[in-house]
Amino acid sequence: GAGVSQSPSNKVTEKGKDVELRCDPISGHTALYWYRQSLGQGLEFLIYFQGNSAPDKSGLPSDRFSAERTGGSVSTLTIQRTQQEDSAVYLCASSLGGRFDTQYFGPGTRLTVL
Amino acid sequence: KQEVTQIPAALSVPEGENLVLNCSFTDSAIYNLQWFRQDPGKGLTSLLLIQSSQREQTSGRLNASLDKSSGRSTLYIAASQPGDSATYLCAVRTGANSKLTFGKGITLSVRP
Repeated sequence: GAGVSQSPSNKVTEKGKDVELRCDPISGHTALYWYRQSLGQGLEFLIYFQGNSAPDKSGLPSDRFSAERTGGSVSTLTIQRTQQEDSAVYLCASSLGGRFDTQYFGPGTRLTVL
Repeated sequence: KQEVTQIPAALSVPEGENLVLNCSFTDSAIYNLQWFRQDPGKGLTSLLLIQSSQREQTSGRLNASLDKSSGRSTLYIAASQPGDSATYLCAVRTGANSKLTFGKGITLSVRP
């Protein structure tokens, strides 16, 4: 079946603009995660959804970052007033939920803020 | 706060060599540990997942072990091939929030 998909694959924006990144999880996966991978920083957790609820938003770096999930499926990560330090690869993962299952990752969106 | 360490950051070996990639974590109260592979410019591919109650998992030429009490995991790759060249990431899952905490990865290069 289809894996996790993300769009766009690349996004170049100017400092101060807002951007929206989209994630389509594997069908039937109730859990969805956003991570950020920066050069030299490794992979950092941003936010976790179980269904449409986000019980853990602890990784969002500032109030410029927000995310939502609708219909227990598609999720959108929004970054307002982008800064150069927001440049990174944003990865989405989904899983069936529960403590012991595997997270499956999408190919990521590479965001460049000029 | 859970911290995951992978040392060294990079490794180069000749083709055919058996090798071990190390991962250590500071909080032994984990639910599971997962090894991933990442090719340049690509997302992550899950290789092996070890439950907290398990000691090891095997898939083909890969074997991952887990020693919770000492906070360590190893990924063993048998008979390495140039196609194994990639970055290998270790990640642990702790707490009810289900997030993964990642190491920074080991970039492996297998020379023909």
